[in-house]
This record gives sequence, structure tokens and C-alpha cells, in this order.
Amino acid sequence: DQQVKQNSPSLSVQEGRISILNCDYTNSMFDYFLWYKKYPAEGPTFLISISSIKDKNEDGRFTVFLNKSAKHLSLHIVPSQPGDSAVYFCAARASLSGSARQLTFGSGTQLTVLP
Amino acid sequence: DAGVIQSPRHEVTEMGQEVTLRCKPISGHNSLFWYRQTMMRGLELLIYFNNNVPIDDSGMPEDRFSAKMPNASFSTLKIQPSEPRDSAVYFCASRGQGALGYTFGSGTRLTVV
Repeated sequence: DQQVKQNSPSLSVQEGRISILNCDYTNSMFDYFLWYKKYPAEGPTFLISISSIKDKNEDGRFTVFLNKSAKHLSLHIVPSQPGDSAVYFCAARASLSGSARQLTFGSGTQLTVLP
Repeated sequence: DAGVIQSPRHEVTEMGQEVTLRCKPISGHNSLFWYRQTMMRGLELLIYFNNNVPIDDSGMPEDRFSAKMPNASFSTLKIQPSEPRDSAVYFCASRGQGALGYTFGSGTRLTVV
């Protein structure tokens, strides 16, 4: 049972347009959410995070939105650039002791930004 | 800091052989994680250590998989015997005390033929 789901395995966007990557979760105890970006032959790198007490966090071209009632978060990239082409992983964590505090990752979405 | 270092980068082995993947976490980080990436399931947590002690190995798929962390600067993930379905990219990650995110290594691409 996947607690973090990224239902779109791939997304293609024209350069300069907005990229929207979506993520759904089922565990209501999750209170921190992160996005990681992964280039081929490299490990995932941290991109942006959001706490459950917020509904939006912005960092340059990247904005993450959280809708707790819908258990949904999204990553917006505006404007999209060819260098943004990568696999994006959504991750979540619950502020509990033990393994629940570890990050649970989604299956990833391959973003391709077309020049 | 050189980051999380994994070796080898690529491993091709025959079914039935023993495979050992290695990881050196970032100095000072006290948590270490082993993940496996597959197309179907994305990043799966296999096992994690806190202060060199295994905390949760419920993600280890079978008894063929084992992991050790003999000291704060080294960990191994061993598969014995290996099978073709073990083919995947295996990532090691570390985290500092109280930190939210992890730092990942570049991964080991394992192919079992």
C-alpha cells in the first residue's frame, strides 16, 4: 500500500511554460512534505519542502502547494527550463518516533522540458 | 565534504553470486538509509541505521538481503545469493541529527544476469 502516490509517471512541457507535478498521500499523520529532483546517474537532491501548517512555500521558480483536506500537494515550476528535465520525487514524513519519522517517497514523475 | 560516497557505481553479476554494496555517509551524520529504486515502486526504504544501530529493516525484501554498519563512516548492503529481480539502482543516504532531509549518494546500478 503506497502512502505517497505520484500518478503521472511522465510530463512534457514547453520551455517557458508552467510545469505542475502532483502528489497524493493517504497518511493523515504526515506533517512535512519534500520534493527531490533526480538527474540520470545521480542521487536525488533536495529541492523544496513544506510544513503542514502552511499551504504554500515558494523558492524562486519553484512553489509547493499543500491541500491538507484533499491530502494533495503539487510542485509548480515557472517558467520551466530545459535544465529542469529530471525525475521529481515527492516525499512525506510524520513527526512520530520510530520508522514513521522516516521519509516515504512516491514513485517519481519524469519531467521533460522541451526547448 | 565529498558527500555520500557509494561504490561501486555499476555492478554486473551472475545469478547466485554474492554482491556487496558500500556506502560512506557524510561525516557527522548519525542516520544512514539504504533505498532501492525500481520503475514500479520508485524509492523503497530497505533499512536504516541510527548511530550505527539498525532501527527498521522491515523493507528488506528477503533473508538474502543483509546490511551492516560497523562504524559511523561505513555501511554495507549484501545480497546473497543474488537474483535477476534484484536488478535496480541502490541508493545510500545520510542525515544529520535533527535534520529533515537526506543527502543521497550517486547510487549503485546493479544488474544480475
